[in-house]
Amino acid sequence: GAVVSQHPSWVICKSGTSVKIECRSLDFQATTMFWYRQFPKQSLMLMATSNEGSKATYEQGVEKDKFLINHASLTLSTLTVTSAHPEDSSFYICSASGGGYEQYFGPGTRLTVT
Amino acid sequence: QKEVEQDPGPLSVPEGAIVSLNCTYSNSAFQYFMWYRQYSRKGPELLMYTYSSGNKEDGRFTAQVDKSSKYISLFIRDSQPSDSATYLCAMRGGKSTFGDGTTLTVKP
Repeated sequence: GAVVSQHPSWVICKSGTSVKIECRSLDFQATTMFWYRQFPKQSLMLMATSNEGSKATYEQGVEKDKFLINHASLTLSTLTVTSAHPEDSSFYICSASGGGYEQYFGPGTRLTVT
Repeated sequence: QKEVEQDPGPLSVPEGAIVSLNCTYSNSAFQYFMWYRQYSRKGPELLMYTYSSGNKEDGRFTAQVDKSSKYISLFIRDSQPSDSATYLCAMRGGKSTFGDGTTLTVKP
């Protein structure tokens, strides 16, 4: 149980375009979803926390207008990187929690902006 | 100072060795303690969790928490090449705070 999927697993886009990443909890209801960014050989950097039906809470230094998060249902959250630039290239990982302290992570999405 | 400090590694051990991975923390509000395993280019996988001081065993893995010393450890017995990965400790009071990870290589 507790499976989280992400789509796409890898995306290449041109500078200036927008990219949407989906995160789904497949076998449980995710009251809270988290979005992380991870650079090579570095740990997870929390970008934002979202609760179903509420606006996301962004961490300090994360541009909310650039990284749009929508938690539309108890099984789906999306992250849209708007007007992407090469420095946005990274590994984006979502995780989901059903209300307890455990977080279950998705497999990640590798974004490359050319 | 970071709230969670993890032994940086990297660690390289022969197959069959006992591995010890360690984290310290400073925030007394942390109540839950987790260990995640992350293979290259994959999302972290929850290995073990605990919320009390003491030991918790699951197969070849033992998680140890010492709240008085603010110290947690993960022990891997009879390590296997498939255990080669980055291990992240995580602690939660409100939101989770992760260590920077320790990369482990188990050589056949």
